[in-house]
Amino acid sequence: QQQVKQSPQSLIVQKGGISIINCAYENTAFDYFPWYQQFPGKGPALLIAIRPDVSEKKEGRFTISFNKSAKQFSLHIMDSQPGDSATYFCAASRGGSARQLTFGSGTQLTVLP
Amino acid sequence: GAVVSQHPSWVICKSGTSVKIECRSLDFQATTMFWYRQFPKQSLMLMATSNEGSKATYEQGVEKDKFLINHASLTLSTLTVTSAHPEDSSFYICSAPGRDRDTGELFFGEGSRLTVL
Repeated sequence: QQQVKQSPQSLIVQKGGISIINCAYENTAFDYFPWYQQFPGKGPALLIAIRPDVSEKKEGRFTISFNKSAKQFSLHIMDSQPGDSATYFCAASRGGSARQLTFGSGTQLTVLP
Repeated sequence: GAVVSQHPSWVICKSGTSVKIECRSLDFQATTMFWYRQFPKQSLMLMATSNEGSKATYEQGVEKDKFLINHASLTLSTLTVTSAHPEDSSFYICSAPGRDRDTGELFFGEGSRLTVL
């Protein structure tokens, strides 16, 4: 059973545009929702994370929007740049236990110059 | 942030041989480390949890005799793929929780690409 569903599978955006990636979860016990960025041949790197007590978190050009009632969260990349081209994974965990970190299926983002 | 180092970054081996991959936490101690496997264009699948001083915990469907994990110290975990076969070819990634365990934040290594001929 896939506990975190991510869409779209791939996304192409023009430079300067907004990239939006969505995730939905099923387990209401999840209390930590990170986004990871992965470049080809590299390990994932934490981009930004949110807890369900806030509805939005912004760090630079990256914003997480969180809808607890709908059990959905999304990543918005403003002013997308070619250097943002990578695979993005949403994830969720519960109780601060890293073992419970469940990843979405990933979104391959391509930002055209 | 915390740094996790993996070695080797890529390895090619013949079928039937064993390959060892190392995962080190460079500036912090990690009593727990995690090993993932990632196929091309797919997500990360947790294989096992490496515990310092005790046996690793394997996820369902992962052969513990095939993927030997040893957590010899607070900064080193190793994954040995024994009697490797072409179907074991994959990208293996390790991770470790940061100092603030309550956040659930994980720091990932650079990954190790294994190709079995």
